Order: sequence, then C-alpha cells, then structure tokens
Amino acid sequence: GQQLNQSPQSMFIQEGEDVSMNCTSSSIFNTWLWYKQDPGEGPVLLIALYKAGELTSNGRLTAQFGITRKDSFLNISASIPSDVGIYFCAGRTSGTYKYIFGTGTRLKVLA
Amino acid sequence: NAGVTQTPKFQVLKTGQSMTLQCAQDMNHNSMYWYRQDPGMGLRLIYYSASEGTTDKGEVPNGYNVSRLNKREFSLRLESAAPSQTSVYFCATQSADRGFRNEQFFGPGTRLTVL
Repeated sequence: GQQLNQSPQSMFIQEGEDVSMNCTSSSIFNTWLWYKQDPGEGPVLLIALYKAGELTSNGRLTAQFGITRKDSFLNISASIPSDVGIYFCAGRTSGTYKYIFGTGTRLKVLA
Repeated sequence: NAGVTQTPKFQVLKTGQSMTLQCAQDMNHNSMYWYRQDPGMGLRLIYYSASEGTTDKGEVPNGYNVSRLNKREFSLRLESAAPSQTSVYFCATQSADRGFRNEQFFGPGTRLTVL
C-alpha cells in the first residue's frame, strides 16, 4: 500500500539541540498532520496543516506545509528528554476520508 | 470527556480463536477507523466507517470484520485469529467529514498476540 517516505528513520541528539525531520509523497496532499507516539501509547496529534506554505507552531515544535504540497517538515527546537518518542506524519488528498501515514522517525535524546 | 477508548488493552489468543476489539468515542465525530501498527510498517488502515451505517475496506482488510454499532461505537472482529494478526490495533475518529479541517484522534491501542 501507499506510504509516505519519512526521514530520518531514527536519530540520536544531545539535549538542547534542534531537530528536523520531513515527509515526502508522490501525491499532492491538502492536509498534513504530525503526531507523536510514546511507548505503549496511541499517537497524539501535535500540529495540523491545511495550506501550502503554511507554518504552524506548537510550543517548541514548528511544522511547515511544503509549497509543492508533496512534502512537510517538522522542527523541534532546544530538545529535552521528554521529546523522546516516534514522530509520524500523515497526509490526506482532497475528497477522501483516509489518511496515509509515514513510517515514523524515532527520536532519542541524550541528556 | 474520555475521547477515544479501546478495550481490552492487552489480549493473548490461540490460533483459530475469535475475539472482538471495542472502540467508543465521545467526540461526536462521524468517521471512525481501525489501524494496525507493526514494527517498521507505520499505521495501516484495516477498515473505516465514514458515517453511522457505512463501512469500507482499507488497505489490509483480510481476516477482519467490522460493525458500526452506532455513532459512538465501532468494533473490529477477528473470526479466526492467525499469528500474522499479532499487532497493536488502534481506533481513531475524525472531525469534520469532507470538510476543510479534519483531524484524526487516536485511542490508546489494543496489544494483541496470537500464539
């Protein structure tokens, strides 16, 4: 089935560093969602994007809807240990109820 | 306001046994979804229900059936469990149908092992 290409797959960073990750698709999307999943829990919605070029922040997190509408980016500034987890992107095309999910970026923060 | 709830949280089955995973939401959303999550595979859609009374197959429907009991509840049934169905199952609901803004919200998951 179709899935988004999410990168990197995993990353180790030092506490205080900034983090960047992205998702790319062969399809044009009209909505991008970013989730975080902690071990043993369900994904929690972080940011929703609805327009090409849109830049939205949620605390230290900032996400952008790529202008080609085929990609999206998530940045985390000044990472802290509780940022550890798996970050997923999800995209939706116009006229469908269904989202396609990326395979996730596993983030580990070294104190 | 519990959001999306799932029961049970954990389950172990033997091959060939049947069981039903329950999902309920108090968010008044029309659309509900069942996903499975396997290592390295992300979330894959099993079935979804765009509204009460309708259900449709997703990406990986084989071996599963669903029932949209009412607006609040959407259940997933395994009629004859197989080891390949060992996975974590998530239920999700979605705001605004076919609208401009629609976001999915997930339950805590059911961790299923089939021996």
